Parts: sequence; structure tokens; C-alpha cells
Amino acid sequence: GESVGLHLPTLSVQEGDNSIINCAYSNSASDYFIWYKQESGKGPQFIIDIRSNMDKRQGQRVTVLLNKTVKHLSLQIAATQPGDSAVYFCAENGRNTPLVFGKGTRLSVIA
Amino acid sequence: EPEVTQTPSHQVTQMGQEVILRCVPISNHLYFYWYRQILGQKVEFLVSFYNNEISEKSEIFDDQFSVERPDGSNFTLKIRSTKLEDSAMYFCASSALGGRDIQYFGAGTRLSVL
Repeated sequence: GESVGLHLPTLSVQEGDNSIINCAYSNSASDYFIWYKQESGKGPQFIIDIRSNMDKRQGQRVTVLLNKTVKHLSLQIAATQPGDSAVYFCAENGRNTPLVFGKGTRLSVIA
Repeated sequence: EPEVTQTPSHQVTQMGQEVILRCVPISNHLYFYWYRQILGQKVEFLVSFYNNEISEKSEIFDDQFSVERPDGSNFTLKIRSTKLEDSAMYFCASSALGGRDIQYFGAGTRLSVL
């Protein structure tokens, strides 16, 4: 069933360390994946995306890894900063299906 | 940087009342979306809209919901007779090309049904 917000998976990291946020997706037909960042009181903000014909994509300080065999997606944030504190959602998209969001992980950066 | 804007930021209403949530998508975007996020839960798709008609809708988007693009800039979500369980954040999003194109989200409208 749905998880309640107070029980969101939480990841706490020290400022400057690397963060890895994981996501499992369920639809094997999904071929497009996106990571969104949601800060308190704001809407989801696009971070990075990846298509199913790739297994890795890098952006500025962020890397997304896709393992289609086990239907797993991860977001790596290098040198995590206090401004990275937020809830991170993965989302998946199939050819004829709308965007489906995962449950989210709360990242807390300890200064 | 262009952004999606939503008004109001917070709407309080009595159960059974009609509400209209407003959105101004990014100006050159053609695809528009509404999502809902119940407090602390994941974001859920409601409806997508293109070329002045609904292209897709979820099970949540029942007969009490409707969307409209009344002019060249606004995109609205109407809830005809609000229920307590409609209390949530409602996010509007837009994209230029639809499909796999990036969806840009507004800051949301918090709807509180009393």
C-alpha cells in the first residue's frame, strides 16, 4: 500500500560526501526515467533523465545509473551540499503511459 | 528562466463547494498536465491535455474533475463538488513536445477542504 510521508526512506549524509539514492521501478515496458527534486513547499524540479538504451548518464554533480535487468535506478550526487537537502523522486514513463512517480527519498545533508 | 505559475498558492474551501485551480504554463509549451500529491505521499498523475482536449486521464480524474484552457495562456482544473479527500497539493506541469520531453512543474496549489 501507500507509504505515509513520515515514513519516507531517509538518507543522511555529511556535507561533502557523495549521496546515492535508489529506486526500483515495476513496469518493464518503461523506457524513460527521470529524477526530480522536491524542496519543501515547492513543485518537483527536473534533475536528470535517462532513456532505456543507456545505462549511465552524467550531469553536473549528478549521475543516473539504470539497470534494466533488475529494474533499478540510482541517483548519485557528488560532493553533497546543504542545498541538496530535499525529497528525491524517480519517475518512469512508458510509450503510452503517463509519468509515474515513485515514493521518494528524503535526503538530509549534515553540515 | 520561464516557469509554470499557479494560483492561488493556498485555497481553503468547504466540502461540496466548487473550486478552480489556475495555471499559466510556459508560453511555448503545448502539453499540459495536472498532478496531485496528498500530504507526504507520492505525486500522482491526474490528466494530460493537448490541442484543447484531454489526451489521457487517471482513475482519480472522475466526473467531478474537469480541465479547460479558456484562453491562450491559462490552464484550469475545476473540482465541482469538493470532498474532504480532495485535500492535497495540486501541481500543474507543461512540456514543449509531450511524450518523453521534460515536464516542468509549478509550485503547486494547496487545497484544503473543510
